[in-house]
Amino acid sequence: EVQLVESGGGLVQPGGSLRLSCAASGFSFGTYWMSWVRQAPGKGLEWVANIKQDGSEKYYVDSVKGRFTISRDNAKDSLFLQMNSLRAEDTAVYFCAREVISTWDFDYWGQGTLVTVSS
Amino acid sequence: DIQMTQSPSSLSASVGDRVTITCRASQSISNYLNWYQQKPGKAPKLLIYAASSLQSGVPSRFSGSGSGTDFTLTISSLQPEDFATYYCQQSYSTPHTFGQGTKLEIK
Repeated sequence: EVQLVESGGGLVQPGGSLRLSCAASGFSFGTYWMSWVRQAPGKGLEWVANIKQDGSEKYYVDSVKGRFTISRDNAKDSLFLQMNSLRAEDTAVYFCAREVISTWDFDYWGQGTLVTVSS
Repeated sequence: DIQMTQSPSSLSASVGDRVTITCRASQSISNYLNWYQQKPGKAPKLLIYAASSLQSGVPSRFSGSGSGTDFTLTISSLQPEDFATYYCQQSYSTPHTFGQGTKLEIK
């Protein structure tokens, strides 16, 4: 059974940092692109970043470029999102999701982890 | 960036109704269009990928159509468990943008 479990969320002050993790199981993690998608309270979904199987390609939404870094450790079946210079508008539930090669849809999602940026 | 516009933003319907939600892309995305269902407090669930392919395990009352810039999601006969928020998403290019969502409520 495919499982994605996020962790690392919490309350952080504006300007602070946080590192999210996503533990994958039930599939060959190293053969899939992976993404982070977020959802602000009461709002819609926003794709944040994705990373190629070997980590050689990474893409970001403009609003997080230069502040967030996506990475992965295929030996540990784990995906990460390092978030620096956090802003109030980064407050959201962050989901990790598996991307299907060729159609690029998100066929499996984690349950999400809440990040709150507030003083 | 490709903008995705869904309509309507909200919709009231009854069990057994046929419902259609539309999604328009700001430029052609071929058939790189996906539909998700989300219930409160839960992760989104993939329903339709590549515009018209039904994800495994999803009931056949859900169907998708379209290509280029205009797409539709149809639920042929609403069931109580279908009341949720639906999102389209383009996977043609990054950023993989989502529509703003359509909240389907019970009439």
